[in-house]
Amino acid sequence: QVQLQESGPGLVKPSQTLSLTCTVSGGSISSGGYWWSWIRQHPGKGLEWIGYIYYSGSTYYNPSLKSRVTISIDTSMSQLSLNLRSVTAADTAVYYCARGRGGGSCYFDNWGQGTLVSVSS
Amino acid sequence: EIVMTQSPATLSVSPGERATLSCRASQSVSSNLVWYQQKPGQAPRLLIFGASTRATGIPARFSGSGSGTEFTLTISSLQSEDFAVYYCQQYNSWPPEVTFGGGTKVEIK
Repeated sequence: QVQLQESGPGLVKPSQTLSLTCTVSGGSISSGGYWWSWIRQHPGKGLEWIGYIYYSGSTYYNPSLKSRVTISIDTSMSQLSLNLRSVTAADTAVYYCARGRGGGSCYFDNWGQGTLVSVSS
Repeated sequence: EIVMTQSPATLSVSPGERATLSCRASQSVSSNLVWYQQKPGQAPRLLIFGASTRATGIPARFSGSGSGTEFTLTISSLQSEDFAVYYCQQYNSWPPEVTFGGGTKVEIK
């Protein structure tokens, strides 16, 4: 059973860059057919897809976040990363990494436990 | 962007009763629809994919139906562990974007 674990700072200052890492274990991040993804959830709110990356490096981003987001993958370390630039308090959320399955788009069959990131000075 | 609308926002149900949750897409997503369950402090858990196929380990009391723009999740006989928030999500192939519904909270009546 694949497991995903998010890590990174729990507090980021406004205007700075939020950087998170997701380590994948129990399965190969280089396996074809999966989209490695970031999803967030504002406190007490619903789910928002941020973007996903294939092991080859192909990416798709949420258009509403695309100008500030970069997702990258390091297959040698079995990790994916999220960089979200110029953050504000509105970026305070629980950030999840997840494994996506599907063709052009995907659904998520394995999730990390999530990590809360607060944006505050 | 395909907008997903779930109803009702909150559903009050007694244990043992049937719960019916709805999800509507702003345009056809064929059968590219999943349902998740989320309990407080936990990540979402995949229940149903392809609109009607239960994920591994999901009890038979959970069933999904629908296609196109109208979808339903039915829990045939609510157990105590089923009280949670349920989200639908479309994964239509193009544009390759993911959108979630706003969620339905199933609470104890």
